This record gives sequence, structure tokens and C-alpha cells, in this order.
Amino acid sequence: KNEVEQSPQNLTAQEGEFITINCSYSVGISALHWLQQHPGGGIVSLFMLSSGKKKHGRLIATINIQEKHSSLHITASHPRDSAVYICAALSGGYNKLIFGAGTRLAVHP
Amino acid sequence: ETGVTQSPTHLIKTRGQQVTLRCSSQSGHNTVSWYQQALGQGPQFIFQYYREEENGRGNFPPRFSGLQFPNYSSELNVNALELDDSALYLCASSSGGSPETQYFGPGTRLLVL
Repeated sequence: KNEVEQSPQNLTAQEGEFITINCSYSVGISALHWLQQHPGGGIVSLFMLSSGKKKHGRLIATINIQEKHSSLHITASHPRDSAVYICAALSGGYNKLIFGAGTRLAVHP
Repeated sequence: ETGVTQSPTHLIKTRGQQVTLRCSSQSGHNTVSWYQQALGQGPQFIFQYYREEENGRGNFPPRFSGLQFPNYSSELNVNALELDDSALYLCASSSGGSPETQYFGPGTRLLVL
């Protein structure tokens, strides 16, 4: 079993839909990252959170430390949101990132 | 733009060869981490350097080695390349705090034939 599990693996949505991506982890963490990766490979950090909830534009990330679970929500999805979304647990004394396998999101007009 | 650059962007090598990948950190960052991302998978931690010393290592064999220079730029060296080394190699820089955001470079795509 992987230390960081994401679901779903693939997600297709129509423009405007509300999207949720889930992440569960089994390791102790100091924080959890949500990252976005576009075709070609570049990774952008969306959020780093260690408790509660963060919001940036149409993106919302929540984390429940007791349940070792985090969610990324996208409101009013748009085709430009199409990308791979990865959660990564920041773990270990030297801030090692342990990545989930990613969720491939396709938003159609 | 994260301010982290990597070179080259693409590289083709043959089995048994050696390769050096380079990463230039964001200004002011003294920590760099390297990750390997095989096709369709999430990245895997290779190692981290902090102020020119290896600070942690993932489950990669010794033929994966690294360096960090006084200006905090970094190299990843892979000896005796194997077909399974074909992947996207990502570096990420950070300022050394805990916890902290890591800033990723665009990656180097390595193909081993």
C-alpha cells in the first residue's frame, strides 16, 4: 500500500462542475502539498497546509489531521484547469515529499 | 515561473552511459531536492542537499549521486544507465525552513535506449 493514496485516478468533468479530489496518507506529516502538473512536466505548488482550510481563487484545500485525509476542490471548473493534480506529504526530518500518483483531470467545454 | 531552472530539457542516452543533470535554485534557497517521475506515476524522492551536504536519501542505488555547489546550484549524476532510468527528473528548491513550500523546475526528460 502506498503511503499517499489519491482518488480518483482519472476525472472528466463538464465546464462549470464542482470537482473534488481526495488524498489519504499513512505517514506522519509536517504539512501536505497540493501540486498541479501540466503536460510537459512543470509542477506548480498550489497549496501547502498543515491544518484547516485554504482558499485561492476557485481552489479550496482542506485537511483533517486526525483522519489523515485532505481534499482539493475546484469550483466552477474550466478547461484550463485540465492538468494532473498531485498531493504530496511533507514528511521526515529533512522535509522529504512523498507523492501520490496523481489525478488526471480533463474539463470539457 | 518559479525561478528554478534545469538543463538540459531533454536527453537521450544509451544503456551503460553516464549522465549529469543540472539545477539552478531560486535565489536565496539553500536546499535542493531531486525527484524521479516515471511515466504515469508520481515523483519519487531521490535525495536532498542542504548547504552542500546530502541531507537525506530515498531508495535509489549509489549510482545515483549528487552535488551542491556554494552558489546552491546542484547536479544529479547517474552512472551505468539502465532502461528503467528513463523518466522525468525534477529538482525543487526551498529555503530550508520547516515546513516549507518547494519550488519545482521544469524537469529534464531522460530517455535511455
